[in-house]
Amino acid sequence: AQSVTQLDSQVPVFEEAPVELRCNYSSSVSVYLFWYVQYPNQGLQLLLKYLSGSTLVKGINGFEAEFNKSQTSFHLRKPSVHISDTAEYFCALYTGGFKTIFGAGTRLFVKA
Amino acid sequence: NAGVTQTPKFQVLKTGQSMTLQCAQDMNHNSMYWYRQDPGMGLRLIYYSASEGTTDKGEVPNGYNVSRLNKREFSLRLESAAPSQTSVYFCASTGAYNEQFFGPGTRLTVL
Repeated sequence: AQSVTQLDSQVPVFEEAPVELRCNYSSSVSVYLFWYVQYPNQGLQLLLKYLSGSTLVKGINGFEAEFNKSQTSFHLRKPSVHISDTAEYFCALYTGGFKTIFGAGTRLFVKA
Repeated sequence: NAGVTQTPKFQVLKTGQSMTLQCAQDMNHNSMYWYRQDPGMGLRLIYYSASEGTTDKGEVPNGYNVSRLNKREFSLRLESAAPSQTSVYFCASTGAYNEQFFGPGTRLTVL
């Protein structure tokens, strides 16, 4: 069965520091992987996606993620965060059919 | 291009009342979804519609019905609301690479 595990429920970090939000997945078939961001009182919006090809994927707002097939991971990184990056981040997996599996979310809290 | 729109934004119901949540997308997407989001539970799929004229149950369909009115519109109905249905409801549609486009959500409280 496919699954997505976000390893941290909350990540506090100081402004201008780097951050990594961790995501592991389980699947016996090829995958598409996504990161979404949800700002307070809003819907989710796509940050970036991995479909195939280059394992380093760049997204909006300076975020990037690296697909690692051997470690079944898709960690999200940003070299320098801003207060405005405070939000909840969801990793998601698609393996075919009509359903996407979402992780439980990681709350990123950026402190001044 | 409005993307995915949902109405209403907020709703308060009493136990036993009914209501319909409306969703529309203007991206010509075939597949549409209804999720609920509860603290600590992430997103849970209620129903989805792979294409116009078809609907299927997700993880948590009990207490809900859906209608895919046309390619643009996908509504969610609560026939007899219960406090356990207090949640934030999101509608989404799927793009060419199965990325999901979400609406702004409906915040529902059932008293």
